[in-house]
This record gives sequence, structure tokens and C-alpha cells, in this order.
Amino acid sequence: EAGVAQSPRYKIIEKRQSVAFWCNPISGHATLYWYQQILGQGPKLLIQFKNNGVVDDSQLPKDRFSAERLKGVDSTLKIQPAKLEDSAVYLCASSLVAGASTDTQYFGPGTRLTVL
Amino acid sequence: AQSVAQPEDQVNVAEGNPLTVKCTYSVSGNPYLFWYVQYPNRGLQFLLKYITGDNLVKGSYGFEAEFNKSQTSFHLKKPSALVSDSALYFCAVRDDGAGGFKTIFGAGTRLFVKA
Repeated sequence: EAGVAQSPRYKIIEKRQSVAFWCNPISGHATLYWYQQILGQGPKLLIQFKNNGVVDDSQLPKDRFSAERLKGVDSTLKIQPAKLEDSAVYLCASSLVAGASTDTQYFGPGTRLTVL
Repeated sequence: AQSVAQPEDQVNVAEGNPLTVKCTYSVSGNPYLFWYVQYPNRGLQFLLKYITGDNLVKGSYGFEAEFNKSQTSFHLKKPSALVSDSALYFCAVRDDGAGGFKTIFGAGTRLFVKA
């Protein structure tokens, strides 16, 4: 079974530029998550999708971050414009069941973003 | 509100010795608890989870965790550590209360196993 795929693996941009990350979840997984992991911290949920609808985006900085999951499969996370404090690893995860609290999440390798 | 704490930034253990990585939690409803491991430049890998039932949960790579409701703890254990166990370990919690959809991760504990 193929895992969660993410691209690019690394990205370096200057502040105020825009950047986009792509995620392809495990086939058949209804729920998709985007996390931000700042160095030395645990992952923080940015947004959670159930199929192509948003379940939780309470911690997404909506003035600069946006995400979509068209057709309920792939997802894109965008930052526009980027700030220095956005430097982090952005992790995508997916789980089989739609939003169940007991569900196991499977993570991709992440995209390491450096904002200069 | 949900929270999880990993009181140790780093745990050092000699190869062959037992290891424990500590985790305590706070939730409004029933806790669902997870342990993940992260190797360098890789995403998190699922180790084990507690949903209900037996307080001792067995997971991948010989790891196990003990759920203790009275102490609100979910410590990760392994009887005999390997050098290859050296990694970053995260405890996470969800509950069936108001915060049920959100997984809260601890800050992580770095395990260093010395040969």
C-alpha cells in the first residue's frame, strides 16, 4: 500500500513570497490533515478535511494560509505572503474513517519550508 | 481543553536496558491516546494507541504503553532498548468530548540509546 505522498520535500523562499504544498493521501482515506511542525515542537493541526469539506480550520491563519481538497482526494496548502515565522515542516496525514476520534493517522514525509 | 505533556526533553538509556518515555494528558471526555515516532527527515510513524479495554497496549517494534486513568498517564515502554530506537517520540490525545476531532501532540521526547 502506497503511503501519503508530499511534494516538494524542501522549499526555500524569501518573506512575502508565495508557496504551495501538495499532498496525495492514502487511497480510500476520507480524512486529510495538514499540520505545522515548528522546530522543537509537536505538530499543530492547521486544517482537517472530511472528503472535500472542512471539518476544522480553527488554527489556520486565514489571512495568509489557504487549503483546498478538490474532489476529495489530493490537497494543496498555500501560504501567501510568507513570513519568517512560517519556517517549519508541513506535514500531511490521512486516516480511513471520516473524523473518528479513534482513527489512526498516517503521515507523509513532510515539506521543510525555510523563509529567509 | 485537551492537553498532553511530555515532561522530559530527552531520555538516555543504554542498549539492552528497559526504556520509559513519559506522557500525561488532560481531556474533557474519554481519552484516546496515541504514540508516534519520528526519524530524521521523515514523517511521524504510528506506534500504538489506546481506545478502551486492556490498560497495557502492545504496538510496533516491541513497544508497549500503559494507560493509567488515575494518574492520567500513558507512558511508552520497551523491555530492551536498541540503538535503532533512537528517535523523537510524540504522545498525542483525542477525546470524545467537544475537542474530539482535534489531535493534540506533545512537544516530543528525544530518545537516545547508547551502544
